[in-house]
Amino acid sequence: GQNIDQPTEMTATEGAIVQINCTYQTSGFNGLFWYQQHAGEAPTFLSYNVLDGLEEKGRFSSFLSRSKGYSYLLLKELQMKDSASYLCAVNGRGSTLGRLYFGRGTQLTVWP
Amino acid sequence: EPEVTQTPSHQVTQMGQEVILRCVPISNHLYFYWYRQILGQKVEFLVSFYNNEISEKSEIFDDQFSVERPDGSNFTLKIRSTKLEDSAMYFCASSEAGGLNTEAFFGQGTRLTVV
Repeated sequence: GQNIDQPTEMTATEGAIVQINCTYQTSGFNGLFWYQQHAGEAPTFLSYNVLDGLEEKGRFSSFLSRSKGYSYLLLKELQMKDSASYLCAVNGRGSTLGRLYFGRGTQLTVWP
Repeated sequence: EPEVTQTPSHQVTQMGQEVILRCVPISNHLYFYWYRQILGQKVEFLVSFYNNEISEKSEIFDDQFSVERPDGSNFTLKIRSTKLEDSAMYFCASSEAGGLNTEAFFGQGTRLTVV
């Protein structure tokens, strides 16, 4: 089966740095996505990793280790608006039609 | 900025009734998806659609579900006889043709409540 694990909840304070981890076990791998989802809203794309290493995009960075089946999302200079659920999703097939397998999401709360 | 739009935003239906959820994907996208998220649970894949046919479907997508692209802009999900356990947020998504680094853009969702 497909298994995507991430912590259920995390808290941090404004201005801090937080790292959200994700481990995965899937049949096939064509990249790992991070999405942000505010309550009652659609998931919005944050990052994509298909090769090992770090991808940086402003305050957000994402890291991938394919051999370890591990990724993390790093959020710097946290703001109150970063309070949301962060979803780790793996594309399990080798094509753009690959379905995404989502983790349960990590609910991040940023305190002032 | 182009976006995926879904209607209605909320739908309440009686058990056993048929519902049709509507989506307008981003205009130059060719790959379409339906996902659902039961309250408090993870987002789950239902079906992918390309070139006017289903590319892949999950075990959730049984004979009660169907998808259609009736014209050049709409993409619909039909549930023939709704069950209580179909209550969920249904997300439509689309992605553009080509390339492996192709993120799916999600619509705002339709909250379906079966009573």
